[in-house]
Amino acid sequence: AQSVTQLDSHVSVSEGTPVLLRCNYSSSYSPSLFWYVQHPNKGLQLLLKYTSAATLVKGINGFEAEFKKSETSFHLTKPSAHMSDAAEYFCVVSGASGTYKYIFGTGTRLKVLA
Amino acid sequence: EAGVAQSPRYKIIEKRQSVAFWCNPISGHATLYWYQQILGQGPKLLIQFQNNGVVDDSQLPKDRFSAERLKGVDSTLKIQPAKLEDSAVYLCASSLGFETGPVNTEAFFGQGTRLTVV
Repeated sequence: AQSVTQLDSHVSVSEGTPVLLRCNYSSSYSPSLFWYVQHPNKGLQLLLKYTSAATLVKGINGFEAEFKKSETSFHLTKPSAHMSDAAEYFCVVSGASGTYKYIFGTGTRLKVLA
Repeated sequence: EAGVAQSPRYKIIEKRQSVAFWCNPISGHATLYWYQQILGQGPKLLIQFQNNGVVDDSQLPKDRFSAERLKGVDSTLKIQPAKLEDSAVYLCASSLGFETGPVNTEAFFGQGTRLTVV
C-alpha cells in the first residue's frame, strides 16, 4: 500500500529564516508527489508537483522540493520565510499503487515568528 | 476553465438525519475523489471513481455512507444516518485520470462542504 509520512506535525521558524518541511513516502511504483498549502478556513492550493521529470521542482511563492528516490523523500524548502507562509502544509503521493490513489499526509503546521 | 463545483457550501443537520453532497468535476476529468477532512487533520480519501466505476472505497463507512457517479460526470455523496463524528469538510476533487499517464494525475479540488452534525 502507498503512504506518505510528514515527519513534523508543527514547525516554527523566524521570519527571514529557511523553512524545511519533511515528507517521506512508501511506494512500489514510481510515484507522483505534490505539496499543498491550506490557510485557515481556506481551500487547498497546489504549491508544486513532481511527475517523473526534473527531481528539483520549483513551485509558487519561492517554495521548492527535491525528489530523492534513494531516500524516498520529497522535502519542501524555502530560503526565507514570510509571515504569510504560516499555514498547514500537506504532502500527497499518487501513483504509488498503480491506481493513482491520491493520498494525503497528516499535515505540518508552519508557524512564522516575527 | 471552470473548476470543481460543490454544493452546498455549508450544512447543519441533527444526528440521525440524512444529508447529500453534490460535486461537478472539471469537464473531461475521468477520475473523481471524495475526501473527509476533520478539523485539524489531513484529508482522508473516502472513495475514488474512474469514470462511473469505483476504483477504491476501502475507507468509506459503507453502513452509513454511499456515493455514486452516474454517467461518469457528476457525483453525490450521502450520509444516512449522520453521527456527531461526521462533522467535517467534505472535499471533492477530479483529475484527468491515471490512464492518461502520471503527468495528468494532479487533482483539482473544490471549495468543500462544511458539515456540522448537532
